[in-house]
Amino acid sequence: GAVVSQHPSRVICKSGTSVKIECRSLDFQATTMFWYRQFPKQSLMLMATSNEGSKATYEQGVEKDKFLINHASLTLSTLTVTSAHPEDSSFYICSARFPHMDPQGYTFGSGTRLTVV
Amino acid sequence: QKEVEQDPGPLSVPEGAIVSLNCTYSNSAFQYFMWYRQYSRKGPELLMYTYSSGNKEDGRFTAQVDKSSKYISLFIRDSQPSDSATYLCAFQRGGSQGNLIFGKGTKLSVKP
Repeated sequence: GAVVSQHPSRVICKSGTSVKIECRSLDFQATTMFWYRQFPKQSLMLMATSNEGSKATYEQGVEKDKFLINHASLTLSTLTVTSAHPEDSSFYICSARFPHMDPQGYTFGSGTRLTVV
Repeated sequence: QKEVEQDPGPLSVPEGAIVSLNCTYSNSAFQYFMWYRQYSRKGPELLMYTYSSGNKEDGRFTAQVDKSSKYISLFIRDSQPSDSATYLCAFQRGGSQGNLIFGKGTKLSVKP
């Protein structure tokens, strides 16, 4: 199966700083990647859909200027949390989409635990 | 009405028990019905998927879909401590670019 590598797995940053999370598809090209956020005891909430070479599509209520997504290549998408605040502390997970593997065409990264202090 | 409803639990069972996990949904356009397992602080991994009403079995796991009632279930037989995780139901909307819609997840603990 496909492998999606997500880094870092855990990051602690000071309030007001920016943090970049990388999501890399190791085996196949991924034209579409998804970014999710998961709060404790809550489900995965889709933040944005990232398509290679185009602007990301953000879900309602997600600030695109705060959560910058770049999908510059078919194997790499990044999420940058800008001017992070404690309320941004959460578990962020990326997912790569491989339609040729449907219905098993969604592969998830291992997640990034962000703590803003 | 929420698009997907799943009881978050937690659910605690003794080793060897049969576990039943359930989700209801409201969107008739969902094409694929999936169950993901998520261990603590890890990304979800696909456990089972199906696209039609009925049962699908894989080892100790059985996925059941009832499209008429918009209800899906996951049964785990002879549960093991290693099955302790959060189980999320997920639904795929139509189209090759469609994202998944997840339930809240049910936290399962299997006690030795």
